[in-house]
Amino acid sequence: DTAVSQTPKYLVTQMGNDKSIKCEQNLGHDTMYWYKQDSKKFLKIMFSYNNKELIINETVPNRFSPKSPDKAHLNLHINSLELGDSAVYFCASSRWGLAGDRLETQYFGPGTRLLVL
Amino acid sequence: SQQGEEDPQALSIQEGENATMNCSYKTSINNLQWYRQNSGRGLVHLILIRSNEREKHSGRLRVTLDTSKKSSSLLITASRAADTASYFCATDRGSTLGRLYFGRGTQLTVWP
Repeated sequence: DTAVSQTPKYLVTQMGNDKSIKCEQNLGHDTMYWYKQDSKKFLKIMFSYNNKELIINETVPNRFSPKSPDKAHLNLHINSLELGDSAVYFCASSRWGLAGDRLETQYFGPGTRLLVL
Repeated sequence: SQQGEEDPQALSIQEGENATMNCSYKTSINNLQWYRQNSGRGLVHLILIRSNEREKHSGRLRVTLDTSKKSSSLLITASRAADTASYFCATDRGSTLGRLYFGRGTQLTVWP
């Protein structure tokens, strides 16, 4: 059973195109995240949603728009793709702690390798 | 900006040897986590150590945390070829919002 799944696994596209990456988790978690890992393996958080509401939006261009139709899904839509968007995008999920509680372990998907030509 | 700094960047050892990786951070934390990433795969959580803990064990893994030095170490004992992967530390920078800040990782290669 796949806990956190992403589609597609690979995405090759031209500059200027619009593309979406889908993420689903079957862990019953209420918090989901998108991370970007660059060619040097540096992993940086982009967005976080808790119960379908945006709670973290790091400094990400507004060409990136996350959408959470329900707690189990967090999709990432990217408009007007640029060369610099080439990276591996990881979705993750976790169980939200109680107010004042500590951060929970995050479970990562397999990644989507995006190449913009 | 980057929170965790793993050291060394790359480590190459023989099967059976122990592997020690270090991580330093700059801000206060609630907890620190270690993750493993096999080539071409997603990250897998290994161990979480809270700021009031000094040492934690899980199988062949031993993690220490020194909050006064803002550093942590991950020790893998009796390494195996299957332990070959990148290892990342991640902190929350004291936030409870779910942000994780990762270092650049240590690439561990274990030769059979």
